[in-house]
Amino acid sequence: SQKIEQNSEALNIQEGKTATLTCNYTNYSPAYLQWYRQDPGRGPVFLLLIRENEKEKRKERLKVTFDTTLKQSLFHITASQPADTATYLCALGNQAGTALIFGKGTTLSVSS
Amino acid sequence: DTGVSQNPRHKITKRGQNVTFRCDPISEHNRLYWYRQTLGQGPEFLTYFQNEAQLEKSRLLSDRFSAERPKGSFSTLEIQRTEQGDSAMYLCASSFSSGASSYEQYFGPGTRLTVT
Repeated sequence: SQKIEQNSEALNIQEGKTATLTCNYTNYSPAYLQWYRQDPGRGPVFLLLIRENEKEKRKERLKVTFDTTLKQSLFHITASQPADTATYLCALGNQAGTALIFGKGTTLSVSS
Repeated sequence: DTGVSQNPRHKITKRGQNVTFRCDPISEHNRLYWYRQTLGQGPEFLTYFQNEAQLEKSRLLSDRFSAERPKGSFSTLEIQRTEQGDSAMYLCASSFSSGASSYEQYFGPGTRLTVT
């Protein structure tokens, strides 16, 4: 069955450092991969989408890479800030753009 | 555009009761999705609509669950004869799809259901 794993449940870093979150998947060939941010008690907020034919995408301090051979995506937050503290979810999508398959998320804590 | 809205935000009900949740998507979005999320887990897909047609349902969606999207606008999710295992956050999302598809899904704040 399809499986998506985010490498660690929690990641603690100091302000100003780069946070790197990992998303691995098996038994699936996604057409695209998305990253969401979720704060406690709130719905996920869309951050970035990267398609299967793209290697890297950037948005402000965020960078996503996608390696379909390794079946892995890396999500980077550079110059991290305490306001980046949240849970980050990886989600896989199919060509039809229907249901997303989510990982459990990685909780990032940025301390000042 | 005020984003996706969901009502109520919280619902506490006794086991065996029926509950109904409402989702109002972003106005120009033709696709609407329902997900369920429990503590420490990512959202799990339940069902989705394109306009008023319900096109896909997860096997998680037992026959106690029913969803509608009359006129392709707002949607309702009803749970009949609630069980304690139904306690979760119910999330609604919407997106716009046109031929080549636009895949970003925008989520509402969720409805937190507690079954006692």
